[in-house]
Amino acid sequence: QSVLTQPPSVSAAPGQKVTISCSGSSSNIGNNYVSWYQQLPGTAPKLLIYENNKRPSGIPDRFSGSKSGTSATLGITGLQTGDEADYYCGTWDSSLRGVFGGGTKLTVL
Amino acid sequence: QITLKESGPTLVKPTQTLTLTCTFSGFSLSTSGVGVGWIRQPPGKALEWLALIYWDDDKRYSPSLKSRLTITKDTSKNQVVLTMTNMDPVDTATYYCAHRRGYYDSSGYGPWGQGTLVTVSS
Repeated sequence: QSVLTQPPSVSAAPGQKVTISCSGSSSNIGNNYVSWYQQLPGTAPKLLIYENNKRPSGIPDRFSGSKSGTSATLGITGLQTGDEADYYCGTWDSSLRGVFGGGTKLTVL
Repeated sequence: QITLKESGPTLVKPTQTLTLTCTFSGFSLSTSGVGVGWIRQPPGKALEWLALIYWDDDKRYSPSLKSRLTITKDTSKNQVVLTMTNMDPVDTATYYCAHRRGYYDSSGYGPWGQGTLVTVSS
């Protein structure tokens, strides 16, 4: 059971927009930054968003992050088949540990 | 360019101790604010955070695994070592090390190493 709650799966057509939610509590998301990761099949996770809404260099602006209260959202616009992957949110917890969501599988129909 | 790579045994027996080494380049763990973390992922399952070591040698551990984990650094070798005692088949997973992106505990991790699959079996 992951500390952060994500939907198991989302889907959308190529070119469309999709959002992935991440729900936590005041002991984690509510008082910390949120990061997002993309894990393509058979590869290591890749940082997409850090500190709620910042993109590392090389990450296209099709990917965006936001946070409100104890929830965060990853948005992906202009969906491509290459975006099919598992997406994870992560943050810090007041118990002084890192925490992740259970992951969301994105299918581009 | 920051890179990290994990190394260690691919197979360990139950009750044995696992020692994994993360060798990195492109940054120094003696620089203020820098951190390196370990995260694992059982086959087909979600990411699980394990431990984090800071530039000042402060350390954080997953509460559920704290009694079994030790994280250390060798700044001169650009390495971070994670040991996990009393290995069990449920510890079978791909183990990743990753660079903490920013100055804050919750800044995020990137980049990550390629990961190393550790199987626990007799």
